[in-house]
Amino acid sequence: DAGVTQSPTHLIKTRGQQVTLRCSPKSGHDTVSWYQQALGQGPQFIFQYYEEEERQRGNFPDRFSGHQFPNYSSELNVNALLLGDSALYLCASSGLPRNNEQFFGPGTRLTVL
Amino acid sequence: SQQGEEDPQALSIQEGENATMNCSYKTSINNLQWYRQNSGRGLVHLILIRSNEREKHSGRLRVTLDTSKKSSSLLITASRAADTASYFCAPMDTGRRALTFGSGTRLQVQP
Repeated sequence: DAGVTQSPTHLIKTRGQQVTLRCSPKSGHDTVSWYQQALGQGPQFIFQYYEEEERQRGNFPDRFSGHQFPNYSSELNVNALLLGDSALYLCASSGLPRNNEQFFGPGTRLTVL
Repeated sequence: SQQGEEDPQALSIQEGENATMNCSYKTSINNLQWYRQNSGRGLVHLILIRSNEREKHSGRLRVTLDTSKKSSSLLITASRAADTASYFCAPMDTGRRALTFGSGTRLQVQP
């Protein structure tokens, strides 16, 4: 049973560029959440997707957008990258039972130069 | 939305000792979850305790919840070097779907 997978593992971009991160949820899960974790901090919620719709959003600007596909996989897009976007981006999936227990992927380390 | 605040921020113990970390939160919850994160990696779900439960065990882990004090504690017994990690609590409000994390407790277990 495959867990949550994310790609790529590491990414280096320059300011102003755009980036797309990908996530495949755990088998049987239909909900995907994205988190940003700066060094030394806890993860911060970006948004959550369910049934291909953004269901809930954290305090992040519109430069952060996402998508969920019919197979429940998801993408996180960040436009006009800033130095402060450098972080570990974590994807988490969940499903039944609806107790909000989430299974996390290994993350994508994004460095913006 | 609320987040848990973990205490202490850092904890260093010897292998074999017990480790206790605490979490405080502000409003009513549906459940509270604890997660572990090894350096620079994804989070691993440890245990979930519902608002109507007072104590829960899972292997060497013991979690308590006191809703009157809006606090929870995680006890790791007979710690091992492999327990070295950051630990986060995530109180879940009724009706919310996202986890909200504090800065965590960094546990160092010395062999």
